[in-house]
Amino acid sequence: ETGVTQTPRHLVMGMTNKKSLKCEQHLGHNAMYWYKQSAKKPLELMFVYNFKEQTENNSVPSRFSPECPNSSHLFLHLHTLQPEDSALYLCASSQERGTVNSPLHFGNGTRLTVT
Amino acid sequence: KQEVTQIPAALSVPEGENLVLNCSFTDSAIYNLQWFRQDPGKGLTSLLLIQSSQREQTSGRLNASLDKSSGRSTLYIAASQPGDSATYLCAVPYDRGSTLGRLYFGRGTQLTVWP
Repeated sequence: ETGVTQTPRHLVMGMTNKKSLKCEQHLGHNAMYWYKQSAKKPLELMFVYNFKEQTENNSVPSRFSPECPNSSHLFLHLHTLQPEDSALYLCASSQERGTVNSPLHFGNGTRLTVT
Repeated sequence: KQEVTQIPAALSVPEGENLVLNCSFTDSAIYNLQWFRQDPGKGLTSLLLIQSSQREQTSGRLNASLDKSSGRSTLYIAASQPGDSATYLCAVPYDRGSTLGRLYFGRGTQLTVWP
């Protein structure tokens, strides 16, 4: 198994649909992240969970709703999205120990298309 | 807020050349800097992480240097191979606080190495 697994790999949804993206990490890390990669922008941080507690919401619209039931799983619930939300959504994890950092480990992402 | 800039945006070279990819950042008070590789349709793979107290890090044919005072980092790739073809991204943390996976990314350099 790879370290960080994301499902589905591809998702096409209409603007009125509700869907969820799933991320699972098998690395024993205590922090998980959602990043968004659009065609015309650098990678953008969306949400951070540290020890299952959300510590960052980077001004993300409420149509994106994260959930972290335990330190190994992270979800991104989607509803009433806009076409401009089409992007590659990447999940990542790391082991945070105070000021000692570890490299981020990324999943392969979910390619989302909103029609 | 950090602004991370990478030049060139794209680079196409024949196999065997030695390459330099550049990254600059606006706030020199960084805790570390990371270089990542992204293959098409995939997530990011961490290549090198340089702590602020270090000047460089090496891994195989890759060497990354960091000059905090000038706000610059370079990634040197020796004896390039077609398998090195990918997008290379640099990233710096939001701040010196915890959860150091909160990163600002550059737009990346798209590298093509042809046989």
